[in-house]
Order: sequence, then structure tokens, then C-alpha cells
Amino acid sequence: AQSVTQLGSHVSVSEGALVLLRCNYSSSVPPYLFWYVQYPNQGLQLLLKYTSAATLVKGINGFEAEFKKSETSFHLTKPSAHMSDAAEYFCAVSNCGGSNYKLTFGKGTLLTVNP
Amino acid sequence: KAGVTQTPRYLIKTRGQQVTLSCSPISGHRSVSWYQQTPGQGLQFLFEYFSETQRNKGNFPGRFSGRQFSNSRSEMNVSTLELGDSALYLCASSTDRGRDTEAFFGQGTRLTVV
Repeated sequence: AQSVTQLGSHVSVSEGALVLLRCNYSSSVPPYLFWYVQYPNQGLQLLLKYTSAATLVKGINGFEAEFKKSETSFHLTKPSAHMSDAAEYFCAVSNCGGSNYKLTFGKGTLLTVNP
Repeated sequence: KAGVTQTPRYLIKTRGQQVTLSCSPISGHRSVSWYQQTPGQGLQFLFEYFSETQRNKGNFPGRFSGRQFSNSRSEMNVSTLELGDSALYLCASSTDRGRDTEAFFGQGTRLTVV
């Protein structure tokens, strides 16, 4: 079974500071990994995805993530936080069975950005 | 291009009642998945439909069911509601072209069981 673990349920940063949200995965096969963002009372929006093409993945809104197989990690970063980045972030892995869209999500990390 | 539309956005039901939630996927998307989101359990997979067939099912009791119509629209039904069914129910659609294809989520239906 595949799974993801997000370290830190709540991360607080100052505006302009580096954002680092951690995600570790467990998978018996090469994983397909995703980061989603959820704003209050909204659905999930894809930030970026890793599909084995490149280990450094760039996404929307200035976010990027690096796939590190040796560390089984896929941490999300942004060089400079903006107030509008305050949201909940979810790391997910897609399963390797017949169905393509059973995403398994981490518990989420709530990002707070302080002025 | 219209996104995934879920109706209604909010629902309040009484314990023991049943409820039906609706999801209209993005045009051309044939795969529809449902997820339950609660503060305690996070996001949990309910089931996935493709071309009117349930392809995958999560670990939920039989009170949770769904279906998909020929136009790819999907409904999920919860019978004999329990207080613990209070959650945000999210629907996602995709083109089903591979394990890496993005799933597009609706805004969800917030169900409150009282």
C-alpha cells in the first residue's frame, strides 16, 4: 500500500520568509506524487505533480518541490511567502492499481503567513 | 471551460435520514471520484466511477453508495445518516489518461448531520 506522511500539521512563517512543507512517501513502486492546496471553504487545487520526468518540479504560484528517492521525500518550497499563500496543503500519491484516481492524501499542513 | 460543479454546497440533515449529493464533471472527463474530508480523518477515498462503472471503492460502510450516468454526472447517496457522517464531500474528475493525470476538484458539499 502506498502512503504519504506530512510532518507538521501547522507551519507558521513571516511574509517574505521561506516556506518549507514536508512530505515523505512510502511506495513499493515508483510513485506519482502531487501537492494540492485548499483555501477555506474551497475544493483542492493542484500545485504541482511529480511523474518521474524531472526530480525538481515547478508549480503554480512560485511553488516547487524536489523528489528525493534516497530520502523518500517530496518537500514543497517557496522562496518568499505571501499572505495569499495562507491555506492548507496536502501531499498525495496515486495508487498503482487498476484505477488511476485513488489518491491517498496526507493529513495536511496548515500554513499561516504572518505580516 | 466550466469546472467541477457540486450541488448543493451546504446541507443539514437529521440523523437517520438519507441524502444525495450531485457532481457534474468537467466536460470530456469520464472518471469521477468522491472523497470525504473530516478534521479527524482527513481526506479519505470513497469510490471512483468510470463509464458508469464503479472501478474502485474505499473502506466505507454500505450506507455509502454512488452511481454515474451516461453523461458522466455522478451522485453519491448516504442512507441512515449518522452524526459522524458530517463532513465535506469532495468530487473530482479527470480524463483517465494515466496515473499521473491531474484530478480536478469541485468546491464540495458541506454536510451537517444533527
